[in-house]
Amino acid sequence: DARVTQTPRHKVTEMGQEVTMRCQPILGHNTVFWYRQTMMQGLELLAYFRNRAPLDDSGMPKDRFSAEMPDATLATLKIQPSEPRDSAVYFCASGSREYGYTFGSGTRLTVV
Amino acid sequence: EDQVTQSPEALRLQEGESSSLNCSYTVSGLRGLFWYRQDPGKGPEFLFTLYSAGEEKEKERLKATLTKKESFLHITAPKPEDSATYLCAVRASGGGADGLTFGKGTHLIIQP
Repeated sequence: DARVTQTPRHKVTEMGQEVTMRCQPILGHNTVFWYRQTMMQGLELLAYFRNRAPLDDSGMPKDRFSAEMPDATLATLKIQPSEPRDSAVYFCASGSREYGYTFGSGTRLTVV
Repeated sequence: EDQVTQSPEALRLQEGESSSLNCSYTVSGLRGLFWYRQDPGKGPEFLFTLYSAGEEKEKERLKATLTKKESFLHITAPKPEDSATYLCAVRASGGGADGLTFGKGTHLIIQP
C-alpha cells in the first residue's frame, strides 16, 4: 500500500529551538495538507499545497510557522522559535478531491 | 464559519450491539462529507466520502448516510477490532478550498 511518510515520529525540544518536520506524500497526489491535533482542539488545518503551490496557510501562526514544498516528494513544516503551546501531533496528508486524503502517522512534538 | 459536531463523545458497546454515531454540520455549500477512523498513535484512515443528501455507502459492518444537516455512521454487530475514534469532516465550497474541517470525534469501545 502507498503511504504518506512523516519524520521524525517523535521530537522533544526546548522552548526557543527550531523544529523541522518532513513529509513524503504519495507519488502522484497533487494536494498536500498539514494538520495539527490536540486533545482540546482536535484536528486543525494549518496549510495546504496543490501542485506544490501554497494555497492556504491561514491556520498557521505566521510569525513562527512556515510550510514549504521544495519538490513533489517533500513537504516541510518549520517552527521557529518553538513554544510549549506548539506541543501536539502534526499530521501530513496527501490525496485528491475525488478519492479522499491519506494521512501519515504523524510527528508527536513536545516542547519543554 | 464551518462547524462539525459529533455525538456522543464516547460510546461503549457490547460486541454485537449495533448503534449509530452522529455528525451534524453547518457549512456554506457542502462539497463532501468524510468519515475517518483513527487508532491510537496513528493517523486517520479514510473510510467514506458522501456528496449529496440521501447517499449511502457501506464497508463491512459500517454504513454511512447523509442528510442536509447530518450524517450517521451505523455500526452493525460490531466486533472489538472496531474500537477506535471515528472522525467526521466536511469540505465546503468557496475559494476552491480543499481543506477539511473536522469534528472532535467519537471514541468507540467495543467490549467482548
